[in-house]
Amino acid sequence: GQNIDQPTEMTATEGAIVQINCTYQTSGFNGLFWYQQHAGEAPTFLSYNVLDGLEEKGRFSSFLSRSKGYSYLLLKELQMKDSASYLCAVRDQDYKLSFGAGTTVTVRA
Amino acid sequence: IAGITQAPTSQILAAGRRMTLRCTQDMRHNAMYWYRQDLGLGLRLIHYSNTAGTTGKGEVPDGYSVSRANTDDFPLTLASAVPSQTSVYFCASSALAGGPETQYFGPGTRLLVL
Repeated sequence: GQNIDQPTEMTATEGAIVQINCTYQTSGFNGLFWYQQHAGEAPTFLSYNVLDGLEEKGRFSSFLSRSKGYSYLLLKELQMKDSASYLCAVRDQDYKLSFGAGTTVTVRA
Repeated sequence: IAGITQAPTSQILAAGRRMTLRCTQDMRHNAMYWYRQDLGLGLRLIHYSNTAGTTGKGEVPDGYSVSRANTDDFPLTLASAVPSQTSVYFCASSALAGGPETQYFGPGTRLLVL
């Protein structure tokens, strides 16, 4: 099974940078995903890492270290619309996703 | 518009009643999934199907059943609803079970069991 930990809440100022950490313990690893979920809506895909290193996609970047069971999502140049919950999910050897409880990010003006 | 649809959007159900949540995708995705999302617990996998005709149990399958008669549809049935099944239910699909393809989520069904 999977054990996935991420902070419950984070607050940051518009224009700033926020880093959301995710640690996991897994019996098999087949990729790590980050999703964004606005209140009352469905999760939407942000990023995918399967090899160690940094994946950059516009204002969002995601990093993975498989040996440390660690990932982070970096949100740069924060905007008010980035206020949402961010979900870390690990895919196992059977291709099933296990999700962390999510990190609620609040962006203040 | 391609995507995943779920029905109903929301439902209030008496305990003990049978209920089927519907999920349909038109992206010809092979794999489909059902999750429930509860405050503080995140998304938890109920059942999944890697391809039409096959299904598997996820983390929290008890009290739920699924079928996958064709590629597009993946209904979730609560045989006899209990209050602990009050939750938001999301259906998702992906092109393949593995690979870099992400899962795409439907809009969710909000279920209240009284």
